[in-house]
Amino acid sequence: DTGVSQDPRHKITKRGQNVTFRCDPISEHNRLYWYRQTLGQGPEFLTYFQNEAQLEKSRLLSDRFSAERPKGSFSTLEIQRTEQGDSAMYLCASSLAGASVTYNEQFFGPGTRLTVL
Amino acid sequence: GENVEQHPSTLSVQEGDSAVIKCTYSDSASNYFPWYKQELGKGPQLIIDIRSNVGEKKDQRIAVTLNKTAKHFSLHITETQPEDSAVYFCAASKAGRRALTFGSGTRLQVQP
Repeated sequence: DTGVSQDPRHKITKRGQNVTFRCDPISEHNRLYWYRQTLGQGPEFLTYFQNEAQLEKSRLLSDRFSAERPKGSFSTLEIQRTEQGDSAMYLCASSLAGASVTYNEQFFGPGTRLTVL
Repeated sequence: GENVEQHPSTLSVQEGDSAVIKCTYSDSASNYFPWYKQELGKGPQLIIDIRSNVGEKKDQRIAVTLNKTAKHFSLHITETQPEDSAVYFCAASKAGRRALTFGSGTRLQVQP
C-alpha cells in the first residue's frame, strides 16, 4: 500500500519563475486537498477536489495559483510569477468520500518544500 | 470562519511521564477533530481522531477527550517515549466543509 506521494520534495527557484508540483493520492481516494505550511505554523487549506471537480478554494489561493486534477487521479499545483512570500511547504492530502463515509480522514503526503530566492 | 487555538506551544516531559495538549475551537458546528504528529521533514501523520458524538476515544497510549459545551478537546499521551518527540497539531472541521482548520502546533520533547 503506497501512501500519498509528492514530487519534487524540494524546489528552489528565483522570484518571478513559475513552478509546478505534483501529488499522487492514495489510489482509491476520490478527494484530494492542497495545504500550505509555513515555518512554525499549522497547515492552511488552499483547495480541494472531489474526483476532477475543484469544489472549494481558499482566499489564500491568489490568481497566481492554479490547481488541476484532470482525470480525477493525480493533481498539479502551479504557482506563476513566484514571490518570496510563497516560500513554504506545500502539502497534499487525500481522503475517501462516499455514502458510508461521514467523516473526513485526511492522509498527508511528505510535502514539497519551496524556496523562492 | 473556524479558529482553532492550541497550547502549550512547547512541552518537555521526562520519559515515562504523561503529556497533555489542549485545543479550543470557535465554530459550534464543528464535528470532527483529528490529531496529527509531524516529524522533521515529513508530512503530518494522523494519529487519532474523535467525532462529536463521543466524549472520549483511546488507542493504546493515546487518548483524546472532547467537551462540546466548552468547545475544547485534548490529546493525552501516557508513558511517553523518546520517539513521541515531534510537533503535534490539532484540527477541526464541520459537516459540509472538507477543509481542516489546524492549530499552531505543540512541540513535544521527551527527555530520556
